[in-house]
Amino acid sequence: DQQVKQNSPSLSVQEGRISILNCDYTNSMFDYFLWYKKYPAEGPTFLISISSIKDKNEDGRFTVFLNKSAKHLSLHIVPSQPGDSAVYFCAARNDYKLSFGAGTTVTVRA
Amino acid sequence: DAMVIQNPRYQVTQFGKPVTLSCSQTLNHNVMYWYQQKSSQAPKLLFHYYDKDFNNEADTPDNFQSRRPNTSFCFLDIRSPGLGDAAMYLCATSRNDGDAEQYFGPGTRLTVT
Repeated sequence: DQQVKQNSPSLSVQEGRISILNCDYTNSMFDYFLWYKKYPAEGPTFLISISSIKDKNEDGRFTVFLNKSAKHLSLHIVPSQPGDSAVYFCAARNDYKLSFGAGTTVTVRA
Repeated sequence: DAMVIQNPRYQVTQFGKPVTLSCSQTLNHNVMYWYQQKSSQAPKLLFHYYDKDFNNEADTPDNFQSRRPNTSFCFLDIRSPGLGDAAMYLCATSRNDGDAEQYFGPGTRLTVT
């Protein structure tokens, strides 16, 4: 039973433009949400997170938005750079456990 | 650099032949996790250790076992691998139980022939 879903398996964006990645979840017990970034042949690395009591968290070019009523999370990357080309995983925490989405592959075109 | 190391990076085993994957960490974190990730799917938690306390997920098959002989090392044992066990296996750590931020190793790609 997939509690965290990333419905777009891939996203292509031009360098300098905004990338918007989306994530939906079903479990209202999730209290913390994260985005991880993964390059080929490497493990996922933590990118940015947000507590369920907030609706926005910003870190440089990365902003995460949380809409609890819609059970929806999004990651904005602006401006997109070639080094942002990677797989992005959305994750949500309940107790000790992280539940992950299947990932969105972002390709930034020059 | 402090990190999470997984060996081997690629492992080929025969159907039914036991295999062990290893993970080590230099972060001195209390918690170590094992995830299974099949192609184009989300990583799925198999089990985790908080210090020496083992926590198995309810839907993890009995075929999968784990050992943590000390803080730095954790092993994943697959007693009788089936074709359906072919996957990427990711090890991760966190400082404490419930910490959302986890640190991942590069994974071991397991092939079952």
